[in-house]
Amino acid sequence: QVQLQESGPGLVKPSETLSLTCGVSGVSVDSANYYWTWIRQPPGKGLEWIGYVYYTGSTNYNPSLKSRVTISIDTSKTQFSLKLSSVTAADTAVYYCAREYYYDSSIDSWGQGILVTVSS
Amino acid sequence: AIQMTQSPSSLSASVGDRVTITCRASQGIGKNLGWYQQKPGKAPKLLIYEASSLQSGVPSRFSGSGSGTDFTLTITSLQPEDFATYYCLQDYTFPRTFGQGTKVEVK
Repeated sequence: QVQLQESGPGLVKPSETLSLTCGVSGVSVDSANYYWTWIRQPPGKGLEWIGYVYYTGSTNYNPSLKSRVTISIDTSKTQFSLKLSSVTAADTAVYYCAREYYYDSSIDSWGQGILVTVSS
Repeated sequence: AIQMTQSPSSLSASVGDRVTITCRASQGIGKNLGWYQQKPGKAPKLLIYEASSLQSGVPSRFSGSGSGTDFTLTITSLQPEDFATYYCLQDYTFPRTFGQGTKVEVK
């Protein structure tokens, strides 16, 4: 059974870089079947798609965040990561890692989410 | 980016009610739409993919329909565990975009 687990600091200072990792178990991230995805949700608000990394290392980012986002994959460690630079209070959110199935685009597995607060 | 508009933003219903939530895309997306359920403090859960395909393990009281720009999620007989927020998500193109959510509350 696939499991995804986010990890990283829960508090980041304004202007710094938010860094999160998603550990994956039960399935190889070195698979052509999935896009490894980050999604976020500000407190009390809706969901925002951040981007994905494919097993080849190719990426696709939300244009609204593209200049600040980097998503990478480490197949040897079965994990993928998110970096968001120059954060502000508007980046305070629960960050979810998730798996999108390449063939029908369903997001069928999610991590539990991690709250990241941007504050000095 | 494709804009997804859900309605209503919230609704009040009773156990046993039939509930319908709609989602409209700003341009045609074929059948490339999913529905997700989210409970407080939890990650979203996939209910429906490709507009009308029921995810394994999801009760049959949930159903989806539509294509092009207009889509519907129906719960035929609302159960206590169905009070939650529901989101549509277009997966026709990148960036993926969600509807703003529909909160189903107890009447």
